[in-house]
Amino acid sequence: GAVVSQHPSWVICKSGTSVKIECRSLDFQATTMFWYRQFPKQSLMLMATSNEGSKATYEQGVEKDKFLINHASLTLSTLTVTSAHPEDSSFYICSAAQGNSGELFFGEGSRLTVL
Amino acid sequence: QKEVEQDPGPLSVPEGAIVSLNCTYSNSAFQYFMWYRQYSRKGPELLMYTYSSGNKEDGRFTAQVDKSSKYISLFIRDSQPSDSATYLCASYPGAAGNKLTFGGGTRVLVKP
Repeated sequence: GAVVSQHPSWVICKSGTSVKIECRSLDFQATTMFWYRQFPKQSLMLMATSNEGSKATYEQGVEKDKFLINHASLTLSTLTVTSAHPEDSSFYICSAAQGNSGELFFGEGSRLTVL
Repeated sequence: QKEVEQDPGPLSVPEGAIVSLNCTYSNSAFQYFMWYRQYSRKGPELLMYTYSSGNKEDGRFTAQVDKSSKYISLFIRDSQPSDSATYLCASYPGAAGNKLTFGGGTRVLVKP
């Protein structure tokens, strides 16, 4: 299957700082990428849909000023957690759709710990 | 009511047994159905991808979709300890760009 890479896989930061997570589709172009958040032993919660060249679409209840999404190219989307707080600690996962088939492939996830 | 329901488990089976997983969904517009496997602290890995009703087989894995009863299943034959993971079903209406709706995941434990 297609490969989606996320970086960093694990990040620890101090409260109040900002953290950027990258999501890359390595062997295909993705006009749409999705960002999820997952708490321990829970399923994935969609945060936003990232569209190349346009603004992201956020799910209800997700603060767009806190979780900045940029989809600058067909292979890269970034999620920036601004002014992070301990409650933002979570597992963040991106996914990308390959072509028109709609198959979604996921990155390995990024674990954020805010101290 | 969640759009996709899945028993959280855990489901414990002996090695070599058949693992039977299932989900129900409520949205009649769902056309695409997926099963993902997720190991602890890892991103989900796509296992099976089916469109509309029917069966699909890939190695030890068989996915079934019954749209009339809004029921989707995944069977794992000859289960191995390495199959121990959380299995997530997911569905969405259309093609690329549609949002995926996930079930809560079923934790599976295959005992040697």
